[in-house]
Amino acid sequence: GQQLNQSPQSMFIQEGEDVSMNCTSSSIFNTWLWYKQEPGEGPVLLIALYKAGELTSNGRLTAQFGITRKDSFLNISASIPSDVGIYFCARLNRGSTLGRLYFGRGTQLTVWP
Amino acid sequence: EPEVTQTPSHQVTQMGQEVILRCVPISNHLYFYWYRQILGQKVEFLVSFYNNEISEKSEIFDDQFSVERPDGSNFTLKIRSTKLEDSAMYFCASSAGGQETQYFGPGTRLLVL
Repeated sequence: GQQLNQSPQSMFIQEGEDVSMNCTSSSIFNTWLWYKQEPGEGPVLLIALYKAGELTSNGRLTAQFGITRKDSFLNISASIPSDVGIYFCARLNRGSTLGRLYFGRGTQLTVWP
Repeated sequence: EPEVTQTPSHQVTQMGQEVILRCVPISNHLYFYWYRQILGQKVEFLVSFYNNEISEKSEIFDDQFSVERPDGSNFTLKIRSTKLEDSAMYFCASSAGGQETQYFGPGTRLLVL
């Protein structure tokens, strides 16, 4: 129930293309988070989603909390080389008042100029 | 902008040796976490810490691990007798509230030989 299935595992795209990745789970959640990790760095929060159906943007990034509360997607429009990195979805443990995060396996994004 | 810092950035140790990884969380945060990431794998929760005690720990966090907040600013992870499989990136994170955004440090890369 705590597993997050993230896809695709990797993406190789041309600069300027749009990107879409998603995360699914068999359990419902209150919170979906999307993090980006660059080489040698810790994960950095991109977008947090708190309500089913919520659609939130952060610049060229858009994420949605699925209405079933079991999935989320992240879109990146007009990709640029600095979008390169690993994108992780994550959720908070519903059974705890403290924020134990469960991460997906990540989507490795490569952008060719 | 306040950030989580970690030292050292890299640590190489012999199997069986003790290591202490150090973190300085964001100053007004009350919740602290350690995560690890084995090379090429997802980020995994180790432990959460609040009010000077462990709140939750994962199955990875066995008796060889301990955490401490020795003063008002540092948060440490000790591995008493390192094993080869402890080689990983270790990330510290902190948050203002238990369900609020976690900010990650840049990590300590631990290599056990």
